[in-house]
Amino acid sequence: QKEVEQDPGPLSVPEGAIVSLNCTYSNSAFQYFMWYRQYSRKGPELLMYTYSSGNKEDGRFTAQVDKSSKYISLFIRDSQPSDSATYLCAMRYGGSQGNLIFGKGTKLSVKP
Amino acid sequence: GAGVSQSPSNKVTEKGKDVELRCDPISGHTALYWYRQRLGQGLEFLIYFQGNSAPDKSGLPSDRFSAERTGESVSTLTIQRTQQEDSAVYLCASSLATDTQYFGPGTRLTVL
Repeated sequence: QKEVEQDPGPLSVPEGAIVSLNCTYSNSAFQYFMWYRQYSRKGPELLMYTYSSGNKEDGRFTAQVDKSSKYISLFIRDSQPSDSATYLCAMRYGGSQGNLIFGKGTKLSVKP
Repeated sequence: GAGVSQSPSNKVTEKGKDVELRCDPISGHTALYWYRQRLGQGLEFLIYFQGNSAPDKSGLPSDRFSAERTGESVSTLTIQRTQQEDSAVYLCASSLATDTQYFGPGTRLTVL
């Protein structure tokens, strides 16, 4: 079992839809959870960063972390064609070691 | 301000040749990371620098891979005797300590 599991999709939704993206993980030592967005042929850019369990909202984006279930989610409200990209979940342990463990990414397409 | 830059953006090489990939981190960022992204896969951690020391080289896939960093600036990832399975996008990220990682655009390596 991989440390981080993410459905690669592709996921296609109409403009304005609510999008739900998810990852599960196996190691309860993960403490920091991130979502990155990656456009084609570009580097990943950070969307959301959360520590431990809970919700965090930023504009149309909401990140949820449920450590008891080892499950994280990203919700996108009022999705736009410009949201079409690959969404990568990432997580890391606490302490001084900072390398991230990534899911495979979910490719999202928002149709106008 | 300037972000993370990487060069070259694309590299095509023949099997068996050596290649050098360069990363210029954000000024002042003490931590630097190299990741590899194969087609359809998530990012795979290769090596982490704190300053110019590399406390974690565990992700390097073989002894053909090596990396150096000059002080808290430029890093070079070298792949010797390239193989076709080395074809991937090589991404560099930098951060203040172990804070948010900012990624460069990547170097797309193709080994023929």
